[in-house]
Amino acid sequence: DSGVTQTPKHLITATGQRVTLRCSPRSGDLSVYWYQQSLDQGLQFLIQYYNGEERAKGNILERFSAQQFPDLHSELNLSSLELGDSALYFCASSEGQNSNQPQHFGDGTRLSIL
Amino acid sequence: GENVEQHPSTLSVQEGDSAVIKCTYSDSASNYFPWYKQELGKGPQLIIDIRSNVGEKKDQRIAVTLNKTAKHFSLHITETQPEDSAVYFCAASQAAGNKLTFGGGTRVLVKP
Repeated sequence: DSGVTQTPKHLITATGQRVTLRCSPRSGDLSVYWYQQSLDQGLQFLIQYYNGEERAKGNILERFSAQQFPDLHSELNLSSLELGDSALYFCASSEGQNSNQPQHFGDGTRLSIL
Repeated sequence: GENVEQHPSTLSVQEGDSAVIKCTYSDSASNYFPWYKQELGKGPQLIIDIRSNVGEKKDQRIAVTLNKTAKHFSLHITETQPEDSAVYFCAASQAAGNKLTFGGGTRVLVKP
């Protein structure tokens, strides 16, 4: 058990809809990272928050946004969903703000767009 | 940006044999190299990591080696067991950057 909690485990929705994925980091970790895992793209970094502030952006679409709340949990919002957004979405957490520190992953949310 | 290549994409070994997975990276500024194991239905689990000031690191049956000059690093699993069957990912990151770049993964199957 990594200590990182993601909900829900599975999400099925339709094109054009909006969903919110939630992540609670390990106790004591201030950074939250979001990744997308698809069969053809592997694990792709989306965005990082550190102590409530956006720290780094990766290959995140404009239709996607995230935030980190004062209690350090984070939410990833995906809107105007397309078939190609079907993937596993992982959250990871680490103590500090730099990516060259151990990141611990949750078990992901599987998003299926019908 | 950083590019990480991982080989092979699949690896089948007999129980008790060794398994080796190799990764190359493109950015000489990268200085942190973690390895993750992902089992079906689970998230990636950090199994070992190495920093650029170290050439080799061991943890029981797992070892990682780093060649900074050649910009490649490898994962070695000795005395493989069926529970080692999983997908393994290498990754690379810089101190100044905030992005962990992953290799494409290696599916390891340990045959009893």
